Amino acid sequence: GAVVSQHPSWVICKSGTSVKIECRSLDFQATTMFWYRQFPKQSLMLMATSNEGSKATYEQGVEKDKFLINHASLTLSTLTVTSAHPEDSSFYICSASSGRAPDTQYFGPGTRLTVL
Amino acid sequence: QKEVEQNSGPLSVPEGAIASLNCTYSDRGSQSFFWYRQYSGKSPELIMSIYSNGDKEDGRFTAQLNKASQYVSLLIRDSQPSDSATYLCAVHSGGYQKVTFGTGTKLQVIP
Repeated sequence: GAVVSQHPSWVICKSGTSVKIECRSLDFQATTMFWYRQFPKQSLMLMATSNEGSKATYEQGVEKDKFLINHASLTLSTLTVTSAHPEDSSFYICSASSGRAPDTQYFGPGTRLTVL
Repeated sequence: QKEVEQNSGPLSVPEGAIASLNCTYSDRGSQSFFWYRQYSGKSPELIMSIYSNGDKEDGRFTAQLNKASQYVSLLIRDSQPSDSATYLCAVHSGGYQKVTFGTGTKLQVIP
């Protein structure tokens, strides 16, 4: 149980385009989803926390207009990187927790974004 | 600011030995503690959770928690090369607060 999927697993795009990443909880209802970014050889950096049906809470320094998060249902959250630039190239990972166990996060497999 | 501290390593142990990974946290009110394993290029995978003082064993893994000392550790018995990864300590302070992750300890198991 507690499986989280992400799509796509990798994406290459041109600078200036927007990229949407989907995160799905496959076998549980995710009341809260988290979006992380991880640069090579660095630690996880929390970008934002989203609860189903409400606006995401962004961490300090994360531009909410650049990283659009939509948590439309209890099983789906999306992260859209708008007008992507090479410095946005990174490993984006989502995680999800349920209402019954809000402290336990299950991670998706991640999406590797390369912006040319 | 709540902090979770880990030695970045690398921690090198020979195959078959016990690997001991340590983590300290600053929030005395923390209630839930987790260990995640992250292989290079992959996302973190939950391997252990612990909520009460003492030891919790799961196969070759033992998590140890000492709330008085604000210390949590992970022991890996009979270490295997496949255990080589970065181990992340995570701490939760209760309710709907976010989990705080440490920066991780890189473990290398030498064949």
